[in-house]
Amino acid sequence: TQLLEQSPQFLSIQEGENLTVYCNSSSVFSSLQWYRQEPGEGPVLLVTVVTGGEVKKLKRLTFQFGDARKDSSLHITAAQPGDTGLYLCAGERAGGTSYGKLTFGQGTILTVHP
Amino acid sequence: DAGVIQSPRHEVTEMGQEVTLRCKPISGHDYLFWYRQTMMRGLELLIYFNNNVPIDDSGMPEDRFSAKMPNASFSTLKIQPSEPRDSAVYFCASSSGLEQYFGPGTRLTVT
Repeated sequence: TQLLEQSPQFLSIQEGENLTVYCNSSSVFSSLQWYRQEPGEGPVLLVTVVTGGEVKKLKRLTFQFGDARKDSSLHITAAQPGDTGLYLCAGERAGGTSYGKLTFGQGTILTVHP
Repeated sequence: DAGVIQSPRHEVTEMGQEVTLRCKPISGHDYLFWYRQTMMRGLELLIYFNNNVPIDDSGMPEDRFSAKMPNASFSTLKIQPSEPRDSAVYFCASSSGLEQYFGPGTRLTVT
């Protein structure tokens, strides 16, 4: 059982469509991050959220941290082919003794067709 | 400023051979992480260091795996002996806080 469940696992859409990726857990996290990974490369950090209810925007990407700090979402508006990649959520569990240790979700593979 | 550097980028070896993966973290970062990524299991944390000291190695799959960090600018992950099921992409990441910076990875194939 994954500590962080991402959905959907696969998403194939047309350019211009909107989409939302979800990251859910039964555990509380002190912080949650979203990464994007392209083939042949390592994950690259997009955003970090630390406060329950926090919303952050990065151009066409909107990230939200749930009020209870157990879930997060990534919304992309007007998706473009350049958004194609593997999106990973990762969290640091609240109350843990291992500072800096992240648990990753399984990832969502997004394909945006021109 | 250079990012996390990993070598080699690709490694093909035969079952039973020793494999050593290398990592140079970003200068000034005091945390270093080793991950393994496969299609089946996703991205798994193997071990991480703080100030060159191993903090949590609970993700190291077996005694065949070992990791060292002799100084702040270098770490190795060794597999001895290697097995086909060790085939994966191995990533090194470093950080000075919450945000981790990943290297390009080493794609290991064990035949």
